[in-house]
Amino acid sequence: SQQGEEDPQALSIQEGENATMNCSYKTSINNLQWYRQNSGRGLVHLILIRSNEREKHSGRLRVTLDTSKKSSSLLITASRAADTASYFCAAVNRDDKIIFGKGTRLHILP
Amino acid sequence: EPEVTQTPSHQVTQMGQEVILRCVPISNHLYFYWYRQILGQKVEFLVSFYNNEISEKSEIFDDQFSVERPDGSNFTLKIRSTKLEDSAMYFCATLLATGELFFGEGSRLTVL
Repeated sequence: SQQGEEDPQALSIQEGENATMNCSYKTSINNLQWYRQNSGRGLVHLILIRSNEREKHSGRLRVTLDTSKKSSSLLITASRAADTASYFCAAVNRDDKIIFGKGTRLHILP
Repeated sequence: EPEVTQTPSHQVTQMGQEVILRCVPISNHLYFYWYRQILGQKVEFLVSFYNNEISEKSEIFDDQFSVERPDGSNFTLKIRSTKLEDSAMYFCATLLATGELFFGEGSRLTVL
């Protein structure tokens, strides 16, 4: 079964605005993670939220998790040009199987 | 600073040829993964490898694929007879104790 489906697929916003990306998953999870990927590069871990947590912050990142709706959101506040990248959520089940979504391509306009 | 090293960074091969992609994962960890990403598309799970055995594999990981850890450090992904649709970026990752994956920079495979 497929897990971790993000929306929107692509998002363009002005520098300084907030960017919100959403992720839905289908089965029970142990935790949910968000990753960032610059074009042609490997994925870099951003933040992990456990199934018993509802919200987590890290710098300009805020992640929420709603296990009843099987959804998560990633908020990047005060966006910068350097935030331009693809962002992926990854659903982790209890067997440590980690399944990524299709990603959201974020473009920050100067 | 942890590091996952993947070689080659780019390989071009003819359809039907065998390809071996190599990864040096973070030492003193037991859980490793291979993912692939067709250009501009989602990151697809191929296989997880725990304590020198395959833990789980996806439908993509058919008989043409194999993984090995031949010498306790290198972690290899072999594709026996490449197809055009195997063209992709292949990523190796180590599972850290924190639960996050630490990725290499990937190997780009182009099958002609």
